[in-house]
Amino acid sequence: EVVLTQSPDFQSVTPKEKVTITCRASQGIGNSLHWYQQKPNQSPKLLIKYASQSFSGVPSRFSGSGSGTDFTLTISSLEAEDAATYYCQQSGTLPFTFGPGTKVDIK
Amino acid sequence: EVQLVESGGGLIQPGGSLRLSCAASGFTVNLNYMSWVRQAPGKGLEWVSVLYSGANPKYADSVKGRFTVSTDNSNNTFYLQMNSLRDEDTAVYYCAKGAYYLDVWGQGTTVTVSS
Repeated sequence: EVVLTQSPDFQSVTPKEKVTITCRASQGIGNSLHWYQQKPNQSPKLLIKYASQSFSGVPSRFSGSGSGTDFTLTISSLEAEDAATYYCQQSGTLPFTFGPGTKVDIK
Repeated sequence: EVQLVESGGGLIQPGGSLRLSCAASGFTVNLNYMSWVRQAPGKGLEWVSVLYSGANPKYADSVKGRFTVSTDNSNNTFYLQMNSLRDEDTAVYYCAKGAYYLDVWGQGTTVTVSS
């Protein structure tokens, strides 16, 4: 099973600041890495697919990069509505797995 | 509009069975990849199962042999049959469209396994 680790676990950020979340896979998965945003009491929403492809309707301040074992989600200028938990998920190898999540709080 | 609506959750005793339903609109479930993901209270997301266009299901080791996925073409619904339920199966269960990435999610249905 591919284990995904995320860092940091938690981040408190001022609006307009840049946010960087990393996701590391226990083995190479190519670009089969996707990012989701989950706000409290809501279902997750897809942000980025295949490491760097923005999903339709997602604000341009969200971007992804990486391949192999190291991946990054960047929020270029944080807005208050971005307070949420962010998860990475791999589809390179069954069983598909999720990272533990990174909670982003607004200062 | 593409939409998924789950139902069937509830309180069930350990060892019991439950069937979750995921009613789809705006697309045809048996022509698409469909998945189940769960989230235990206060915890992260856990991948449960995927069904590739109505065939070739795959399962997480934690549910293999106990859970079964299927589709009903007549009512465009995706199902998760859960047998031999355990305390650790307590979670919000989400159905989602897709296999590799999940681009549409339902609102979730809560399953509580407790005596």
